[in-house]
Amino acid sequence: IQMTQSPLILSASVGDRVTITCRASQNVNKWLAWYQQKPGKVPNVLISEASILKSGVPSRFSGSGSGTEFTLTISSLQPDDFATYYCQQHNSYPITFGQGTRLEIK
Amino acid sequence: EVQLLESGGGLVQPGGSLRLSCAASGFTFSNYAMSWVRQAPGKGLEWVSGLTGSGDRTYYADSVRGRFTISRDNSKNTLYLQMNSLRAEDTAVYYCAKDMTSGGNFITRSDYWGQGIVATVSS
Repeated sequence: IQMTQSPLILSASVGDRVTITCRASQNVNKWLAWYQQKPGKVPNVLISEASILKSGVPSRFSGSGSGTEFTLTISSLQPDDFATYYCQQHNSYPITFGQGTRLEIK
Repeated sequence: EVQLLESGGGLVQPGGSLRLSCAASGFTFSNYAMSWVRQAPGKGLEWVSGLTGSGDRTYYADSVRGRFTISRDNSKNTLYLQMNSLRAEDTAVYYCAKDMTSGGNFITRSDYWGQGIVATVSS
C-alpha cells in the first residue's frame, strides 16, 4: 500500500492552524498512525488508529479520517512543533510510511 | 525504563553482509512484536521488517525480501537483522523499534526506538 502525503513542505508561523493530508492507495480502515521526527532524533508516535492521541501528546494535535484519506491537524503551532511528520499504515503487510511532511517556520 | 540498543553496523562492500543486533530491556520482550525501520541519509522512514512476539511470523518490505532475515532470541531479549547481498541503496540508519501493542501477535506502530545504527554499503 502506497502512502502519499501532502504537502511535502509546509511553511507556517507560530499560532497558525495547519493540516497535513495522507492518502492511501488502498483501504487501510482506521489503522493509521502519525509520527513526529525532529532532526537527529528518533520518531515519536503522536496518534494511533487515525484519531487516538497518545498519552502526553498536546491536545493541539488531532487526527481524523478512515479508509484512504486521513489528516493531521495542529490547531495552534508552537515553536516545538516544527519537525517532519510521517503517516504510517499498519492495515496490511508490508507496513508503509508516507514520504514525510517537513513543517518549517515561515 | 525501555531501552533498545543496536549494534553491528559498519562499512561493507556491495554484495557483502552485516548482522544487526538490538538488545532490549525494561519490558517483557516476548510480549511484543518488533520491527526494523531504516532511514537513508536525508530521506524518510522506511519500514524494513517485523516479526511477532514469538517470532513465528515474519514480514518484509519488498525492497529487502529474499536478502534480509529478521529473527529474535527471547531468552536473550535480542532482535536481529541478517542483511545479505547488500546494495548501495541499503545505506541508512537502522532503527530497532518496539510495538505499542502488547500480545505480540500483530505489528502495528512503534512507541520506543533505539538510537539507530549506521550501515554503509560502498566500495
